[in-house]
Amino acid sequence: GAGVSQSPSNKVTEKGKDVELRCDPISGHTALYWYRQSLGQGLEFLIYFQGNSAPDKSGLPSDRFSAERTGGSVSTLTIQRTQQEDSAVYLCASSLIFGDTQYFGPGTRLTVL
Amino acid sequence: GENVEQHPSTLSVQEGDSAVIKCTYSDSASNYFPWYKQELGKRPQLIIDIRSNVGEKKDQRIAVTLNKTAKHFSLHITETQPEDSAVYFCAASPGANSKLTFGKGITLSVRP
Repeated sequence: GAGVSQSPSNKVTEKGKDVELRCDPISGHTALYWYRQSLGQGLEFLIYFQGNSAPDKSGLPSDRFSAERTGGSVSTLTIQRTQQEDSAVYLCASSLIFGDTQYFGPGTRLTVL
Repeated sequence: GENVEQHPSTLSVQEGDSAVIKCTYSDSASNYFPWYKQELGKRPQLIIDIRSNVGEKKDQRIAVTLNKTAKHFSLHITETQPEDSAVYFCAASPGANSKLTFGKGITLSVRP
C-alpha cells in the first residue's frame, strides 16, 4: 500500500517568511511524528500526535514552530518567520499505534536563504 | 526519560567482513528495539527490530542481539557489501503508548 508522503519535497524560502510542510501518513495509522534532521546529524524529535489526544510539543525548538493534525490524518508543520538555522530536512513518520514501528516519509528539504 | 547512545559514531570495514554496531539504553522498562538504515539522501527505513522476549533475531545477513541485563543491543551485518554503506540508527521504547527514542546514528562505510 501507499507509504507516508510529504510535500513539498524541496522548499526554498527567504528569511522571515512562513512555510507550511505537509505530511500524509499511512492510512489507518493513529500516531504521527515530526522530526528534523540537519545535515549529517541525527533525528531531532519535534512533535507527535497520538489519536485524539493533545499533541506532545516538547521537542519544538521555539514558538515559531507549530503543527496540527486535521481529522486524525494529514498533518501540517508550520514554521513562522523562518531563520537560516531552520534549514534542514523535515521528516514525518507514522505508526499504527503510538510506540510501534515508525515508517518515515521522504522528507521535505527546507532551505532558508 | 530514555537515553539511547551509539558507539562508535563511524565504522569502516572491508567488503566481505562483518560489522557490529552497538547501542546502549538507560530505561530498563524498554522492550522494543528497532534499527533503521538511512542511505544518503533517502528516508530512514526499518531493517530489523527485536522485542525483549527474545535475545536474538536474524534476517539473512543481518541480526540483532539484545542483552537486557547490560541494557545494550547490537546490529550484526555479515558479508558486508558496498550497498550496506549508510547511517544506522538504533532506537528504544517501553512499547505501546510510549515514545521511541533514537540514537544519534552511526555511519558505516564498506570499502570495496
